[in-house]
Amino acid sequence: AQSVTQLGSHVSVSEGALVLLRCNYSSSVPPYLFWYVQYPNQGLQLLLKYTTGATLVKGINGFEAEFKKSETSFHLTKPSAHMSDAAEYFCAVSSLTPGYSTLTFGKGTMLLVSP
Amino acid sequence: DADVTQTPRNRITKTGKRIMLECSQTKGHDRMYWYRQDPGLGLRLIYYSFDVKDINKGEISDGYSVSRQAQAKFSLSLESAIPNQTALYFCATSQIGGSDTQYFGPGTRLTVL
Repeated sequence: AQSVTQLGSHVSVSEGALVLLRCNYSSSVPPYLFWYVQYPNQGLQLLLKYTTGATLVKGINGFEAEFKKSETSFHLTKPSAHMSDAAEYFCAVSSLTPGYSTLTFGKGTMLLVSP
Repeated sequence: DADVTQTPRNRITKTGKRIMLECSQTKGHDRMYWYRQDPGLGLRLIYYSFDVKDINKGEISDGYSVSRQAQAKFSLSLESAIPNQTALYFCATSQIGGSDTQYFGPGTRLTVL
């Protein structure tokens, strides 16, 4: 069974600082990995995803993540935080059971950005 | 452009009442999902459907039932609501061959008193 661990339920950064949100996963097969963002009172929006190929994945709003198989990690980064980045971020892994894939989500990390 | 819509957006009900949450999509996707979100617990899968005749239980299906009325519609029912079913409920869709990417509705905030 797949599982996802997000380190830190809350992360605080100053505007302009580096954003690093950590995600580790367990999977018995090569995973598909996702980061979603949830702004207040909204649904989840896809930020980026890794399926195959290049391990450094770029997403929307300047975010990127790197798949590291040896570390079973998929950490999310952004060089310079904006106030508008304040939201909750979810990492997810696909079960990859052929034809019956579902997503397993982490518990989320709330990103707080201060001026 | 609301590709995945959920009704109602907010609902307050009483213990023991039957309630239905509805989800519709115009994305033409075959697969639909229901999740609940609780603070600090992330999203947990309740039920999912890979086509009109396919219904599968998720991680936390007890106390819930679903109906897939058409490709575009997937409803979640609470037969007898209880307070610990107070949560934010999300519907999502995905397409076969779409790398499992799921697209979410805006959510329904349900409060059971």
